[in-house]
Amino acid sequence: GQSLEQPSEVTAVEGAIVQINCTYQTSGFYGLSWYQQHDGGAPTFLSYNALDGLEETGRFSSFLSRSDSYGYLLLQELQMKDSASYFCAVRAYSGAGSYQLTFGKGTKLSVIP
Amino acid sequence: GAGVSQSPSNKVTEKGKDVELRCDPISGHTALYWYRQSLGQGLEFLIYFQGNSAPDKSGLPSDRFSAERTGGSVSTLTIQRTQQEDSAVYLCASTMAGKETQYFGPGTRLLVL
Repeated sequence: GQSLEQPSEVTAVEGAIVQINCTYQTSGFYGLSWYQQHDGGAPTFLSYNALDGLEETGRFSSFLSRSDSYGYLLLQELQMKDSASYFCAVRAYSGAGSYQLTFGKGTKLSVIP
Repeated sequence: GAGVSQSPSNKVTEKGKDVELRCDPISGHTALYWYRQSLGQGLEFLIYFQGNSAPDKSGLPSDRFSAERTGGSVSTLTIQRTQQEDSAVYLCASTMAGKETQYFGPGTRLLVL
């Protein structure tokens, strides 16, 4: 099976930079995704890393190290609207042609003025 | 349609009753996933449909849970003899073939009294 670890809560100041880490244990690893979910809302896709390195999309960047089974989401120039839960999710081969997506428990980010 | 839709948005039922939850994926998306999210928790994988392949049912928590996808489009998740621990938000997501981004519906909030 798969297991993911990420911090349960993070607090950061508006305008600052915050990094949310994710470590995972899995077999058949394919890639690591990040999703954002505001309270009461549905998750929305942020990024996906299949290869080692940094992927940048505007204020958000995501990093993956396959050898370390580790990734992070970096949020720059934090805005109040970034207050949400952030989930890392591992795509892994689960047999019989199926690639499951297993989510971590989420990190609740609170951005304060 | 423009996005994934789910119905009903809210469902209150009595313990022991059966419920059906519906998901309409984005037109043309070949993969469809069902997840369950309890309050303040991560997303728990339930079942995954990919094209005409046999579904991956490995996440279904018990034989009271079943799902079908008709004509490669609409999916119905059925929970028989509901229990209070089934209370959660049930989320559906669809994905275009070969793509990683999952597009989530707004979810069905199920409350079993």
